[in-house]
Amino acid sequence: AQTVTQSQPEMSVQEAETVTLSCTYDTSENNYYLFWYKQPPSRQMILVIRQEAYKQQNATENRFSVNFQKAAKSFSLKISDSQLGDTAMYFCAFMKQWGAQKLVFGQGTRLTINP
Amino acid sequence: DSGVTQTPKHLITATGQRVTLRCSPRSGDLSVYWYQQSLDQGLQFLIQYYNGEERAKGNILERFSAQQFPDLHSELNLSSLELGDSALYFCASSVEGRGTDTQYFGPGTRLTVL
Repeated sequence: AQTVTQSQPEMSVQEAETVTLSCTYDTSENNYYLFWYKQPPSRQMILVIRQEAYKQQNATENRFSVNFQKAAKSFSLKISDSQLGDTAMYFCAFMKQWGAQKLVFGQGTRLTINP
Repeated sequence: DSGVTQTPKHLITATGQRVTLRCSPRSGDLSVYWYQQSLDQGLQFLIQYYNGEERAKGNILERFSAQQFPDLHSELNLSSLELGDSALYFCASSVEGRGTDTQYFGPGTRLTVL
């Protein structure tokens, strides 16, 4: 079974700073997908970024980028120029390419951006 | 707004009761997923439907059941409710339910069992 671990329960940074959230996962699969979802106080789950394991290039979406290290099974999220609206719970998630299309989530990191 | 709708937003009920949660997927999406978010268990996958057929099952209790109707909306039925069933229940949808898809989440239904 796949597991996802987020070792930082909480983080806090000042507005405009850069912050990196860590995620490691365990799987015997070779082809899979990794995601970061954001859950603001509204509780809505919002997709931040997606990475295909077969792609060596790290995914980027505006201020959000990932550092995907397949051999180390590591998938960190970097938020540049952080904004107050980035305050949220961030969940790392894993999904196999084949078989049950279920997302396996980590426990989340609560990120607070301070003014 | 993801385009996935869920009703109701909040539900308060008593132990032993039965409730139904409803989900309408994004236009064009054929697959629906149900997840449970609780304080002690985190976010857990419950069940997936694709075009009316059950495709995958996760940690779903026998007291819970789901279905997807011909118009592709889905319902999650929770019966003999217990205090521990209090949670946020999310529905997500994707185009075809394959690994290449991205799942888009609805706003959730918060269930409180008293």
